[in-house]
Amino acid sequence: GEDVEQSLFLSVREGDSSVINCTYTDSSSTYLYWYKQEPGAGLQLLTYIFSNMDMKQDQRLTVLLNKKDKHLSLRIADTQTGDSAIYFCAESPPGSTLTFGKGTMLLVSP
Amino acid sequence: GAVVSQHPSWVICKSGTSVKIECRSLDFQATTMFWYRQFPKQSLMLMATSNEGSKATYEQGVEKDKFLINHASLTLSTLTVTSAHPEDSSFYICSAPRILNTEAFFGQGTRLTVV
Repeated sequence: GEDVEQSLFLSVREGDSSVINCTYTDSSSTYLYWYKQEPGAGLQLLTYIFSNMDMKQDQRLTVLLNKKDKHLSLRIADTQTGDSAIYFCAESPPGSTLTFGKGTMLLVSP
Repeated sequence: GAVVSQHPSWVICKSGTSVKIECRSLDFQATTMFWYRQFPKQSLMLMATSNEGSKATYEQGVEKDKFLINHASLTLSTLTVTSAHPEDSSFYICSAPRILNTEAFFGQGTRLTVV
């Protein structure tokens, strides 16, 4: 079955880079997504990458996709305390709905 | 582990009728639940935040009179799509965060088809 795996917790210092990793199982996924959930708030779509791309950069965010290994990562440059949140990756196979990972809690300390 | 149960998993209804979708947290209490909607080939969009014992908070562009949310207990939130139209056909999914927001759990989703 479909399964999206993420590490549960990441702690970094302010100003460092954060890298959140994700592995997925369905190689037919057309899009792969990163969502952010701040305390008490709903999911917010951060960015997504189309499956025929290797990398996508959006300001401080860089998404890397390794289709061979079914590995997705989200790099946040110059991490700020406001980036502290839970980050979810999700895959979307054609004709199917999103499958989410369990989320990675990012804690940024001053 | 904690589970969020959503019911029904799919429903077909006629235009003009109302449909109720339930979201239950099975082994933890959820003072807040989130309702999302996913259109085909699009990403998940937050519709509203359901708050136990108070009014739901709706995202911009979501009609609160059309999508009625009730969060009457710490384990149950319901979304009622009133006077459904074919354009309401979509995939609806709820999620409930644990207290302290260390984890969030998603329901199985409900596929609504309005004919």
